Amino acid sequence: KAGVTQTPRYLIKTRGQQVTLSCSPISGHRSVSWYQQTPGQGLQFLFEYFSETQRNKGNFPGRFSGRQFSNSRSEMNVSTLELGDSALYLCASSLGSGRLADTQYFGPGTRLTVL
Amino acid sequence: AQTVTQSQPEMSVQEAETVTLSCTYDTSESDYYLFWYKQPPSRQMILVIRQEAYKQQNATENRFSVNFQKAAKSFSLKISDSQLGDAAMYFCAYRSAMNRDDKIIFGKGTRLHILP
Repeated sequence: KAGVTQTPRYLIKTRGQQVTLSCSPISGHRSVSWYQQTPGQGLQFLFEYFSETQRNKGNFPGRFSGRQFSNSRSEMNVSTLELGDSALYLCASSLGSGRLADTQYFGPGTRLTVL
Repeated sequence: AQTVTQSQPEMSVQEAETVTLSCTYDTSESDYYLFWYKQPPSRQMILVIRQEAYKQQNATENRFSVNFQKAAKSFSLKISDSQLGDAAMYFCAYRSAMNRDDKIIFGKGTRLHILP
């Protein structure tokens, strides 16, 4: 089975621009979660989607948004980029039943640099 | 709100020795899951071990075992017979069992160095 894939792997943007990141979960997985990883704040939960519905959301401004398609692929969008948005963005997929046995599998991440 | 604290930003251990990584957490919930994740340099995050809060028995996965102290809200990871491939960032993590979603709360991580 193919693992979680994220595209692009690297992105360089300037302040004020917007960006869209993509995540393809493992086949059969219906849940996709997004995390932001920075040296200062560590790993922070952005949001989780299950069957095209946002199931939970972290404490991030409205500039951060996401969606999930019927094939479970997910995108996250960041508008009006700020320098502080520079980070590694990780997505993780799971079956989504909420049980412990549902291991979350992480993708390699998208490294976003905002200049 | 739940929090996870890893008090050791970095640790080093000699190859073949045993090392213990510490983690404490804070929650008012009675049912939850705890995890240790490993993130090798420039590689993907993978699950090392997991524990259900209502199970008193400590989880074990080969050379990895945990010491789960529910009353003390402590969840340490022991790595036995350390190998060079164990060098990575290790994250302690918490997930509520009260909800069906997959939100995980991570600690800041402990970078583990293996000395040959």
